[in-house]
Amino acid sequence: DTEVTQTPKHLVMGMTNKKSLKCEQHMGHRAMYWYKQKAKKPPELMFVYSYEKLSINESVPSRFSPECPNSSLLNLHLHALQPEDSALYLCASSQGLLETQYFGPGTRLLVL
Amino acid sequence: AQKVTQAQTEISVVEKEDVTLDCVYETRDTTYYLFWYKQPPSGELVFLIRRNSFDEQNEISGRYSWNFQKSTSSFNFTITASQVVDSAVYFCALPLSGSARQLTFGSGTQLTVLP
Repeated sequence: DTEVTQTPKHLVMGMTNKKSLKCEQHMGHRAMYWYKQKAKKPPELMFVYSYEKLSINESVPSRFSPECPNSSLLNLHLHALQPEDSALYLCASSQGLLETQYFGPGTRLLVL
Repeated sequence: AQKVTQAQTEISVVEKEDVTLDCVYETRDTTYYLFWYKQPPSGELVFLIRRNSFDEQNEISGRYSWNFQKSTSSFNFTITASQVVDSAVYFCALPLSGSARQLTFGSGTQLTVLP
């Protein structure tokens, strides 16, 4: 079973809203990732968690706040986003940092 | 520097044709992995293959095959007898050097298979 789930599938929010994206995996993976993907571009890494600790933050603005409550869950809290933050947000997990990453279906975010 | 180049931005073929997607990479690592992912219109990135640089044998999985040539730093992907369901964006990827080994992706090739 190589399933990573993400909710919601679609999200529309205003620039003053606070929302959260959720990602879950039950494969026992110890590394989890958030990527941002703009149309017709490859995914860009935002954050990496390893053993529930943040190991990489790719200079992401503070209006994006990741959280890893436990080894199966990864959240991305959104606050005061800009229209240019509209994108597909992908979550991935892997057994370890050197292992294959398995991706979820993504959340399509539109910021108005 | 670690870099992945997919020079083909878009390819269109007619169903049942064979198609090859090119991937050229640069790395300073002596051992490394290479990956291919498929992204259909639904958006999910689907893992296709991981290849270790130790192993230069070609790999075949059904209609898919991969040709890894270390001498030319290429890891090309061929779909035989293409089908409409193969229409997607295909990404080649390489882990960066460093402790976290995060993936760097090529720019992707949009494959359209016409009926």
